[in-house]
Amino acid sequence: SQKIEQNSEALNIQEGKTATLTCNYTNYSPAYLQWYRQDPGRGPVFLLLIRENEKEKRKERLKVTFDTTLKQSLFHITASQPADSATYLCALDDQTGANNLFFGTGTRLTVIP
Amino acid sequence: DTAVSQTPKYLVTQMGNDKSIKCEQNLGHDTMYWYKQDSKKFLKIMFSYNNKELIINETVPNRFSPKSPDKAHLNLHINSLELGDSAVYFCASSKQGSTGELFFGEGSRLTVL
Repeated sequence: SQKIEQNSEALNIQEGKTATLTCNYTNYSPAYLQWYRQDPGRGPVFLLLIRENEKEKRKERLKVTFDTTLKQSLFHITASQPADSATYLCALDDQTGANNLFFGTGTRLTVIP
Repeated sequence: DTAVSQTPKYLVTQMGNDKSIKCEQNLGHDTMYWYKQDSKKFLKIMFSYNNKELIINETVPNRFSPKSPDKAHLNLHINSLELGDSAVYFCASSKQGSTGELFFGEGSRLTVL
């Protein structure tokens, strides 16, 4: 069966450290993978997209890697801040061209001051 | 200047009732979606509409029906509400042919008593 698993349901980290979140998928062959941030009571907000032929993508303090052999994406937040506390969701497409995005279970990140 | 807006934000109703949630986007996007987020925060796609045509339809009960009067609107109608329908429903949109980045509304929390 198809699965998208984000290994940690919750992750606590000290301010200033690098947070690393993991997204593993099974029985998908995505053309791209996306990461979203969701705050309580709000809708998800797009952060980054990485394509299958890209190994790494950066945006400010964010870095995403994509390993299609391992079927895994890592999402890093460097110099983490309390304001980074949120739930982070990975999402990938099904390559049907319909932009049907499937979401992972999410990781709730808490940055401790 | 809300990009994707949905109403109502909260909806409390009795089992067996029929209700609707409205969604509008002012981004000029071609594709709109409805997602359901359950109590475990798992976000699952229900429908998408592209140029007023249903292009995907996941395994949702036929009590749920999307209605798109025009490209900027995708409303969700739910008949004969059941307890298990209680969830947060998110509307989203994306630009056709883009990288697939989704823009989400703020969500509509449905509680069925």
